[in-house]
Amino acid sequence: DSGVTQTPKHLITATGQRVTLRCSPRSGDLSVYWYQQSLDQGLQFLIQYYNGEERAKGNILERFSAQQFPDLHSELNLSSLELGDSALYFCASSVRDNPGAGNTIYFGEGSWLTVV
Amino acid sequence: EDQVTQSPEALRLQEGESSSLNCSYTVSGLRGLFWYRQDPGKGPEFLFTLYSAGEEKEKERLKATLTKKESFLHITAPKPEDSATYLCAVVIPSGSRLTFGEGTQLTVNP
Repeated sequence: DSGVTQTPKHLITATGQRVTLRCSPRSGDLSVYWYQQSLDQGLQFLIQYYNGEERAKGNILERFSAQQFPDLHSELNLSSLELGDSALYFCASSVRDNPGAGNTIYFGEGSWLTVV
Repeated sequence: EDQVTQSPEALRLQEGESSSLNCSYTVSGLRGLFWYRQDPGKGPEFLFTLYSAGEEKEKERLKATLTKKESFLHITAPKPEDSATYLCAVVIPSGSRLTFGEGTQLTVNP
């Protein structure tokens, strides 16, 4: 158990709908990362927050957005869903905002999103 | 462009047959190289971080090494429970993200 908690574990929804994925980081971790893993692609970085502020953005679609709340939990909002958005969405956390010395990034178990 | 390439894509071993997985990278100013293990449908599990050429780390049957261009994950006398996908990721100076390779899918047969 990494200590990173993600809900829901599984989600099936229809095209055009909107979903929210939730992440609670490890106790004491201020940085939260979101990654997408689909069958035909490896782990793709979406976005990072550190202590409530956006720190880095990857290949995140405009239909997707995220935020980190004062209690440090984070939510990833996916809207106008398409079939191609079906994937495993991982949240990860670390103490500091930069994965340097001693700043390990731990991953949650993921949220399986299926768009039908 | 920063790239991470893992080889082989898949590796099948007999129990007890030692081997190595490779992760080569083209990154200027590497700030860390991470190894993770991922079981199907699960989140990546942290194994090691390496920061400088010549560094080595060990955990049970796994040993990770780092040079200026690549990292190796050596698996000594593997067991079936070592079967998983092993992911390599790098951190670059300009960002705080991990950039992952495609992974090596390891199968250890009893």
